[in-house]
Amino acid sequence: EVHLVESGGGLVQAGRSLRLSCAASGFTFDDYAMHWVRQGPGKGLEWVAGINWNGADIGYADSVKGRFTIYRDNAKHSLYLQMNSLRVEDTALYYCAKDPTVTYTSGGVDVWGQGTTVTVSS
Amino acid sequence: QSVLTQAPSASGTPGQRVTISCSGSGSNIGKNYVYWYQQLPGTAPKLLMSRNNQRPSGVPDRFSGSKSGTSASLAISGLRSEDEADYYCAVWDDALEVVFGGGTKLTVL
Repeated sequence: EVHLVESGGGLVQAGRSLRLSCAASGFTFDDYAMHWVRQGPGKGLEWVAGINWNGADIGYADSVKGRFTIYRDNAKHSLYLQMNSLRVEDTALYYCAKDPTVTYTSGGVDVWGQGTTVTVSS
Repeated sequence: QSVLTQAPSASGTPGQRVTISCSGSGSNIGKNYVYWYQQLPGTAPKLLMSRNNQRPSGVPDRFSGSKSGTSASLAISGLRSEDEADYYCAVWDDALEVVFGGGTKLTVL
């Protein structure tokens, strides 16, 4: 069975950094692109970043560009999100998500983790 | 404000057919596949419809998807109480990002 398990969330002050991790199992990790998607309290879904199967192609939402870095370690079946210069508006539940293709530009996600909560205080 | 426009709410009675719409533009829905997600209260989203109208394994055939021009729709027939959830559309936009609709909260009366 396909599983995505996020970790690394927590409470952090504005301006500080946090690194999220996502452990993948149940599928051939390096055959698929991956994403981070977030959901603010009481809000809708917002795409944060995507990375293709080998990490060579990466994209970010404008709201996080220059502050967040997505990367993956295929040997460890893991996806990461390094979040720097955090802002109060980054407070959200962060989901790790699997793309059904090798490229993050498909527009779709076919498997979601349960999410990890990031709270940024002022 | 989302790039894709969805009505914030929809409702229906058990057994009815309900349609949820998603409106975009030529840079997203007009040229790329649309995906739909169902988010039950307190849970992670789940893929409901892939590539405009492809149902993943396990999704009942009461759910169907369609696309025309720069709009897409998700139809639910034979509405059931367990269909009460938030529904989101998503698509790749040529502005180099995945965009989501604002979500439609479906209430089963």
